[in-house]
Amino acid sequence: DAEITQSPRHKITETGRQVTLACHQTWNHNNMFWYRQDLGHGLRLIHYSYGVHDTNKGEVSDGYSVSRSNTEDLPLTLESAASSQTSVYFCASSEHYSNTGELFFGEGSRLTVL
Amino acid sequence: GNSVTQMEGPVTLSEEAFLTINCTYTATGYPSLFWYVQYPGEGLQLLLKATKADDKGSNKGFEATYRKETTSFHLEKGSVQVSDSAVYFCALRRGGSYIPTFGRGTSLIVHP
Repeated sequence: DAEITQSPRHKITETGRQVTLACHQTWNHNNMFWYRQDLGHGLRLIHYSYGVHDTNKGEVSDGYSVSRSNTEDLPLTLESAASSQTSVYFCASSEHYSNTGELFFGEGSRLTVL
Repeated sequence: GNSVTQMEGPVTLSEEAFLTINCTYTATGYPSLFWYVQYPGEGLQLLLKATKADDKGSNKGFEATYRKETTSFHLEKGSVQVSDSAVYFCALRRGGSYIPTFGRGTSLIVHP
């Protein structure tokens, strides 16, 4: 079965360190998204990509970057982790030409920045 | 711009009670509407969807009807179970955009 996997599922790091969260999907979807989920804010879009070598900023992109070198992967990098980036991060994907645009989510990566 | 407003939670119910979670939206044109569910410790998954006015989406005993006149997509279930305890997100996707707009989520707690 096709799926979308995130790793690591849990990570603790220190302020100032670089952190990369991996996202791998086997749906062969062109669209991929990164969200963060925080109490009181719901889901907020960080970055998204519509295909290889395409990346776009979402509403909360400061301090984050992504790259898309193939269809399957969209890693999220925190260049210099800050305590405000403690959150649960979700990767999602969708078909580019889907009639409805349903998103398929990974199980999340919980990041704690000390 | 597009927006989705959900009732604030948590919603606390006893098993077998009737559930309604309100969702209203603001969007131009005719968006597709969704309910996603997030069980504890998991990612979101699609619960049901409706793509045009008066469509009814249904799944696992949950239903929601796309009401264009009231710009609403309320989620209902006739008899909730403890296993329905989760966070429910209403969302819309406007035609021509690949990025959905999510509501803030409503937590549902069902007691035995």
